[in-house]
Formats: sequence, C-alpha cells, structure tokens
Amino acid sequence: DAKTTQPPSMDCAEGRAANLPCNHSTISGNEYVYWYRQIHSQGPQYIIHGLKNNETNEMASLIITEDRKSSTLILPHATLRDTAVYYCIVRVEEGYSGAGSYQLTFGKGTKLSVIP
Amino acid sequence: GAGVSQSPRYKVAKRGQDVALRCDPISGHVSLFWYQQALGQGPEFLTYFQNEAQLDKSGLPSDRFFAERPEGSVSTLKIQRTQQEDSAVYLCASSQAGDSTDTQYFGPGTRLTVL
Repeated sequence: DAKTTQPPSMDCAEGRAANLPCNHSTISGNEYVYWYRQIHSQGPQYIIHGLKNNETNEMASLIITEDRKSSTLILPHATLRDTAVYYCIVRVEEGYSGAGSYQLTFGKGTKLSVIP
Repeated sequence: GAGVSQSPRYKVAKRGQDVALRCDPISGHVSLFWYQQALGQGPEFLTYFQNEAQLDKSGLPSDRFFAERPEGSVSTLKIQRTQQEDSAVYLCASSQAGDSTDTQYFGPGTRLTVL
C-alpha cells in the first residue's frame, strides 16, 4: 500500500470546520483513500473512504485532488468529541486478493485538538 | 447492535508469563484481524483470519505469538513468555465479508503491561 504523510497535530476551534490534509503522492490507480479516527482509549473508527470523486456522509466530507496525490478530510462543525487522532490510509480496491491486501496500514496520524 | 468486544481490557503480566487475549467479533463477521499498538504509534497488523482459516500471520513479531479462531467466531491471541517489549494495546477488528475494502470495526483493545 502507498505511504501517506500527515501533519502530526492540528488545532481547531469548536464549531469551525476542521480540514485535515493527507499527502499520498505515490498512490496507485487501484488504491482507495480511507480515513479512520481513534479517540483516546478506544479502537479506531471508520469515517469515510473514496477513490477519485469527492464523498460525503453524516460524519465528514472527503475531497480528493484530481491527480489523487492528496486529499482533505473535512469535519464541517467540529465539536469537542471530535478530538482524536485521525489516520489517512490507502488500500487496494475491491476484489484484489494479493498478499497484504486486507489489513489496514496506519501511520502516526494527525492529532486533532478541538478547542472550546 | 453489539460491537466488537475484547477481554480483559487491562492485563498486567510479569516477564516470562503467558497471556491470552480474547476477541468477540460482531456476529456473522467473516474476517477478523489483530493489531498491536505501541504507545504513541498507529496500530500495526499482526494477523488475519477468514472464518477459521488464518490467511496471513506475517505481522506476528515472533514465534511467541500465536492466534487461533477454531470455530470461525471468537479468537484468542496468545503470547508466551512475555517480554517488556510486548507491552502495548492489542486491538481486534472484524469485517462482514472477505472483501479487501470491507469496513473494519474495532474493539476497545486490551492494554498489556509486562513488568
């Protein structure tokens, strides 16, 4: 799986949008971009994923650049409960069955602190 | 519905002791994963099961680590002769099918401290 680069930490004021960047310049055409987050003392939680189109769900929006070399996770109205470590992960597409295709490869992520 | 559960939540072991960590995946989930998370790091893959078959154990750090899922449901991660470097949070995740992009649901983890 391609390597990702994220800033180690970010702050965001409560109620404002949190924009978390991720660089994945070596991403392959068959790799999806996934985002997970991990709140303190909990297991990681799935947020959203996408291939090349922008995606939105009830938790967040994912913006992927046209060349797919970077993406941004957007939390539109951050709350204190959004304070967590956010992981950007790339994974191969559905149906790929090569070795190592199933597990998630986490980096160190971005520690987002939402400030009152 | 019930999520992934793990027990115990906390385990303290003396160096050299054997430990067994249990994972109860979401009912009906085919795939089960174990990850190890050291302090301040992201989780790292240990092993993967599809039903009772262990399809990938490439992440197990040594032969002291052993995982099983005999009936394709509950899984146990066993660590023999624990060492201080085994201290970490051990996370279990399950996913509904064997698809490579299926969403993984994580349990709360077991924090192992080896003294």
